[in-house]
Amino acid sequence: SQQGEEDPQALSIQEGENATMNCSYKTSINNLQWYRQNSGRGLVHLILIRSNEREKHSGRLRVTLDTSKKSSSLLITASRAADTASYFCANNNDMRFGAGTRLTVKP
Amino acid sequence: EAEVAQSPRYKITEKSQAVAFWCDPISGHATLYWYRQILGQGPELLVQFQDESVVDDSQLPKDRFSAERLKGVDSTLKIQPAELGDSAMYLCASSLGRSDNSPLHFGNGTRLTVT
Repeated sequence: SQQGEEDPQALSIQEGENATMNCSYKTSINNLQWYRQNSGRGLVHLILIRSNEREKHSGRLRVTLDTSKKSSSLLITASRAADTASYFCANNNDMRFGAGTRLTVKP
Repeated sequence: EAEVAQSPRYKITEKSQAVAFWCDPISGHATLYWYRQILGQGPELLVQFQDESVVDDSQLPKDRFSAERLKGVDSTLKIQPAELGDSAMYLCASSLGRSDNSPLHFGNGTRLTVT
């Protein structure tokens, strides 16, 4: 069964807007990881947040973690057309992915 | 930057034939994963290795799929016989595996089409 479940399934925004996607998981975690996948390519690691962290930043990425709700969110600020991709989360305990969020950024 | 190598990049085979995929992880990475990704869906974990040992193959259809990592380095995933529903992208990933904070590094996959 899939552990990381992302929503929304699809998100379409204009360049310059912010994009927020969410992840829910079922079991306890040591860390939660976010990945990006361009069409026809492998996944690329974006950012990792540990279970004792509540928020983490990396460039235009901001990740939050709420272990009481077993959820995480990924915010991409000032989006660009090149951010168009699918985004997935997974927890380190089993590295299983959900269906992902398909982000489209229109120029 | 070192990469995970996968071959072939594309494979077309007829149903009931055997097919094999190869993965060479980043040097020194102890953990290796095989995923199957059907178009429009997320990656589904098939098997996880720690060195040469299988850690998790609970989602591997063992009647037709097999995976090995004999020397704890490169790995082969085999399907025999292939079925139409096996058409998908097969992704390999590796990680250091020596801590819980090791991110996965993915190859670009093998796209399998079964006709």
